[in-house]
This record gives sequence, C-alpha cells and structure tokens, in this order.
Amino acid sequence: GENVEQHPSTLSVQEGDSAVIKCTYSDSASNYFPWYKQELGKRPQLIIDIRSNVGEKKDQRIAVTLNKTAKHFSLHITETQPEDSAVYFCAASKRDNNDMRFGAGTRLTVKP
Amino acid sequence: EPEVTQTPSHQVTQMGQEVILRCVPISNHLYFYWYRQILGQKVEFLVSFYNNEISEKSEIFDDQFSVERPDGSNFTLKIRSTKLEDSAMYFCASNQQGDQETQYFGPGTRLLVL
Repeated sequence: GENVEQHPSTLSVQEGDSAVIKCTYSDSASNYFPWYKQELGKRPQLIIDIRSNVGEKKDQRIAVTLNKTAKHFSLHITETQPEDSAVYFCAASKRDNNDMRFGAGTRLTVKP
Repeated sequence: EPEVTQTPSHQVTQMGQEVILRCVPISNHLYFYWYRQILGQKVEFLVSFYNNEISEKSEIFDDQFSVERPDGSNFTLKIRSTKLEDSAMYFCASNQQGDQETQYFGPGTRLLVL
C-alpha cells in the first residue's frame, strides 16, 4: 500500500520567514495530494491540494509543488504569521481508491 | 456553511465494552470515511463507505470494527470489544465524489478505553 513520509517533524521559524514541508510517497499511481492543517484539539482542515496533472499550485501565501518523477511534493508557506502555527499533514490517494494515507505531520511554530 | 458533526465529543469506556461513534455527514455527500488519530500521531485511514457498502478499508479495520448507515443521515462506527489501544480521536469525514476530492472532517470523538 501507499506509504507517505513527511519531513521535518518539527519546524520553528521567525514571523515573516518562509516554511517548507516535504513529503514523499511510494505508490506511483497516487495522483491526489492534499495538505491539512490541524490546530490543537481540532479537526484537520484542508488548506490546499494538488492533482498530478499540475506541477504547482498557489493560493495567496501557500503553495504546493509536485514532482511526480521523484514522487515528492512540498508545501511552501511564505510570510509566516503566528496563526500559521499548527500541525500540518500531507496525504496521498489514487484514482478510484478512497484510502487516503497521511504523513506523520509537521509541527510548525512561528515565533513572533 | 454545512459541516460534518459527530457525537459524542468524548467517550470513556471500559475495556471489552462496545462503543458506537456517530457521525452526520454533510447532507449531499455520498462518500463517508472514518479515521483514527492516536494522541500525537498521524491521522490513519480506517474505512470508506459508498452506496451502503465498504469501498476500502485499512489493515487497522479488523473484525472488531463495523460501519453502518442506519438511516438517511447517520453514519456510525462500532467497536465491538474495545481494547486499551483503541484510545484515540476518531474523525468522520465525507465528500461528494470520492477520490481526488476534498474530504471534510468532523470535529472528532475522543475515545478513552480504561
């Protein structure tokens, strides 16, 4: 089955700096890659997703890049703010398969 | 904006007891999911459900687990004989079209097995 690896497990940045979180996946058939943000004690919430027919997607301060050849995808947050502090999970799934696998999570701390 | 809801928010049970966790997916959604998150760990897929049957399940979803859609709104996860290691947050999620689409998560049920 699919195996998603996520790095780093913790990341601390100064407010205004950029943060990058990386994930790799094992199943070359995977073609949908969402990113979720989870604040302490709350539900995971989708922040951005990318499908395999594109290499990059951007939404304001958040961007995701996908390298299908290398089987890795990354989340980029620019101009970080303290409210970006949370745990971020990447995930992967494939067409006609509802088994979505998550990475282990990255705890991002943005210091004011 | 419609949301997935879950009840109860917290449940404490004795080892060996049966528990039923309830979810009300978003009303026009057709695909339903259960996930588990042990404290401080990753979100783990348990099962997906479509058209009144299980479409996918993970290796975690063994014979002690079952899911049901008993009526037009509820989606339940039953754990027949709870074990200490079942203590976790259980999230329900739903979406309209299944794969490659955003899944909307409920607020979770925190289950503690003593």
